[in-house]
Amino acid sequence: AQSVTQLGSHVSVSEGALVLLRCNYSSSVPPYLFWYVQYPNQGLQLLLKYTTGATLVKGINGFEAEFKKSETSFHLTKPSAHMSDAAEYFCAVRRSSGNTGKLIFGQGTTLQVKP
Amino acid sequence: EAGVTQFPSHSVIEKGQTVTLRCDPISGHDNLYWYRRVMGKEIKFLLHFVKESKQDESGMPNNRFLAERTGGTYSTLKVQPAELEDSGVYFCASSRQGDQPQHFGDGTRLSIL
Repeated sequence: AQSVTQLGSHVSVSEGALVLLRCNYSSSVPPYLFWYVQYPNQGLQLLLKYTTGATLVKGINGFEAEFKKSETSFHLTKPSAHMSDAAEYFCAVRRSSGNTGKLIFGQGTTLQVKP
Repeated sequence: EAGVTQFPSHSVIEKGQTVTLRCDPISGHDNLYWYRRVMGKEIKFLLHFVKESKQDESGMPNNRFLAERTGGTYSTLKVQPAELEDSGVYFCASSRQGDQPQHFGDGTRLSIL
């Protein structure tokens, strides 16, 4: 079985500060990992994904995440927060094998950026 | 290319009524997924179509929910009869192949009174 835990349902940072959103997963098989972002009244937009290869993954809008197998983590970071980064962020996992593409999501983390 | 589109964006119905949600995937995407987010909870998988076939329907909550994808293009999700606990946001997503990232629609917000 697979599961995802996002630590902190709400994170608040100042504009220009480091953003760190935590994600830990559980998976019995090698996982594919994703971060999605949802802006108000919009759908989920893919930020970045890890499948195989380099464990440090760069995504859109200056975000990146590092897959750490030993820690079963996939934390999302951005060096300097911008007001436009305020949104809800979701970490998700899916199996790397098999014929189902279903995503298992974490509970979501709402990022607030203060001026 | 046009994204995943969902209709309606909002629906408010009374308990016991029937509601049908529609999803138009990105053209050429054989894989179509339905997810649901109940308020305060995580987004949960409902089912996965490959073309017109149900590949995985392990997340469907009960037999009041019926999903179809006739012809392998758009999909509908019918709730009949609706219950209070069915309230939430229903998301549709699509991908060209099963191992590719999923593109999400804006969701349908369903409120059961």
